[in-house]
Amino acid sequence: DAGVTQSPTHLIKTRGQHVTLRCSPISGHKSVSWYQQVLGQGPQFIFQYYEKEERGRGNFPDRFSARQFPNYSSELNVNALLLGDSALYLCASQTWLAGGRGNEQFFGPGTRLTVL
Amino acid sequence: ELKVEQNPLFLSMQEGKNYTIYCNYSTTSDRLYWYRQDPGKSLESLFVLLSNGAVKQEGRLMASLDTKARLSTLHITAAVHDLSATYFCAVDTSGSRLTFGEGTQLTVNP
Repeated sequence: DAGVTQSPTHLIKTRGQHVTLRCSPISGHKSVSWYQQVLGQGPQFIFQYYEKEERGRGNFPDRFSARQFPNYSSELNVNALLLGDSALYLCASQTWLAGGRGNEQFFGPGTRLTVL
Repeated sequence: ELKVEQNPLFLSMQEGKNYTIYCNYSTTSDRLYWYRQDPGKSLESLFVLLSNGAVKQEGRLMASLDTKARLSTLHITAAVHDLSATYFCAVDTSGSRLTFGEGTQLTVNP
């Protein structure tokens, strides 16, 4: 079975540009989360979506937005890129448990974004 | 705000030696994860710890969870070079987000 897939693998942008990152969850997983990992640090939570609704948002500026589609894939959009947005962006998918909480998260290979 | 602290942040050890990585967290949680990350790669799940006293072992790695002390440990037995990587603990407090530690960069020398 295919795991979580992300595209593109690598991306180079310049300051002020816009970027869209894409994620396809494991088949049967209805929840997707996004994390940012700056070099040398642990991943930081950005967003979580379940059934196309935002279920959680981390401490990121409004330049970051996301959405989930009816097929449960997801996009992360970042506007007005800054040098500090350079990072590995990880997508994770999970099933949802009765009682309204997510199960274990499985991570994709990531998208390496470089902002020049 | 939940804080997750790992120590040590850097660990250089010889093959064949034993060592323990510690993960402390500041808020009650019933789920803790350990991940491995190789340079330039994504996160590989190692252990899922779901209850107080949970202990799991895989090969030379063993993880435990003490929810009362808000402490998890990752013990390495008879280290080998292939274990060189960065290890992260992550705490799940609501099923909606993981809060990661800073990571422990492990280097195993011959």
